[in-house]
Amino acid sequence: SYELTQPPSVSVSPGQTAIITCSGDKLGDKYACWYHQKPGQSPVLVIYQDTKRPSGIPERFSGSNSGNTATLTISGTQAMDEADYYCQAWDSSTASYVFGTGTKVTVL
Amino acid sequence: QVQLQESGPGLVKPSQTLSLTCTVSGGSISSGSYYWSWIRQPAGKGLEWIGRIYTSGSTNYNPSLKSRVTISVDTSKNQFSLKLSSVTAADTAVYYCARQIPPSMVRGGFFDYWGQGTLVTVSS
Repeated sequence: SYELTQPPSVSVSPGQTAIITCSGDKLGDKYACWYHQKPGQSPVLVIYQDTKRPSGIPERFSGSNSGNTATLTISGTQAMDEADYYCQAWDSSTASYVFGTGTKVTVL
Repeated sequence: QVQLQESGPGLVKPSQTLSLTCTVSGGSISSGSYYWSWIRQPAGKGLEWIGRIYTSGSTNYNPSLKSRVTISVDTSKNQFSLKLSSVTAADTAVYYCARQIPPSMVRGGFFDYWGQGTLVTVSS
């Protein structure tokens, strides 16, 4: 089955840039999206189709996808960005959605 | 504004069948080209997609759960449901229902509306 791997944790200082990676075989041939999830809440979409931001998501969130890695970048990270982040892709070979292992972003 | 709400027993005995329903409000479940999915999350762990259904009744399931999962839809009630058979403690999780924008609409697709989630515990 298709797997997406993320680092368990990323720490960042307020105002700095957080970079979260998502690795999967030929992930760049698929389209990735990203969600953040705060404790006790449902996930919220922050990036879709590799690079697009839904309405209401701040410009500091950006995405890219190439080769085997999709990347979520949070520029000028704020305390409110502290959350778990999950990547997700559609695996056409099994007609199923796959989530990444998740990354906890801590704003120190 | 579309809203989704999960409902069902919070406690299920091992070997029995877990049954949950998701009620959609703020729009018809039959309108548009959306799919409707179930996703779960064990405590302190990541998200796992369980499966999806289209209002025609067409389904796709996670290969790892396929043998135990059935998702159905009742358009007259604006609801879709999940049945997971032969449950064990490993099936204890928060279960979410979500609306899916399919890859046919947006490349890659994504989940745009989620329910608040419901905790299901498998225990005797």
